[in-house]
Amino acid sequence: GENVEQHPSTLSVQEGDSAVIKCTYSDSASNYFPWYKQELGKGPQLIIDIRSNVGEKKDQRIAVTLNKTAKHFSLHITETQPEDSAVYFCAAPVVGSQGNLIFGKGTKLSVKP
Amino acid sequence: EPEVTQTPSHQVTQMGQEVILRCVPISNHLYFYWYRQILGQKVEFLVSFYNNEISEKSEIFDDQFSVERPDGSNFTLKIRSTKLEDSAMYFCASSEGVGSLLFYGYTFGSGTRLTVV
Repeated sequence: GENVEQHPSTLSVQEGDSAVIKCTYSDSASNYFPWYKQELGKGPQLIIDIRSNVGEKKDQRIAVTLNKTAKHFSLHITETQPEDSAVYFCAAPVVGSQGNLIFGKGTKLSVKP
Repeated sequence: EPEVTQTPSHQVTQMGQEVILRCVPISNHLYFYWYRQILGQKVEFLVSFYNNEISEKSEIFDDQFSVERPDGSNFTLKIRSTKLEDSAMYFCASSEGVGSLLFYGYTFGSGTRLTVV
């Protein structure tokens, strides 16, 4: 079955710097890769996703890249701001399931002003 | 923007008691899910529900758990006899559709923090 590994577990950057979080997945048939942001006491919120037919997707300061050969995908946040501080989770669907997601263990991002 | 609504936000219960966690998914969504997150850990799949029946369930979702869609709007998770290890955040999610080539992302609710004492 699908397995998702996420690194690093914690990441601290200065405001204005870039942050990169990486995930690997095991099932080469996986075709959809979302990233979720979870603020304290709240549910995960979808911030960006990518499908397997594209290699990169960008939305303002957030981008996701996908390398299907290596089976990894990354979240890139540029010009980080204190409000970007949160836990970020990558995920991948269990192929053949009714949309069940396997989540990575999460990355706690701290942006220092 | 449409939301998934969960109640209560926090539930404290005695070990062995039954609890019901409630969710109102987004109205035109067809697939419903429950996930849980033990403090500081990753989000784990519990169960998926489609067309008024369970589609899939994880090993966590044992006989103590059940789900129901009692009417056209609510989606509930019942834990029959709570254990200390059931303490976690429980998230409901809904999705517009699921397919082999297309996958529509979820919308998660804000969660119910269940504390079993």
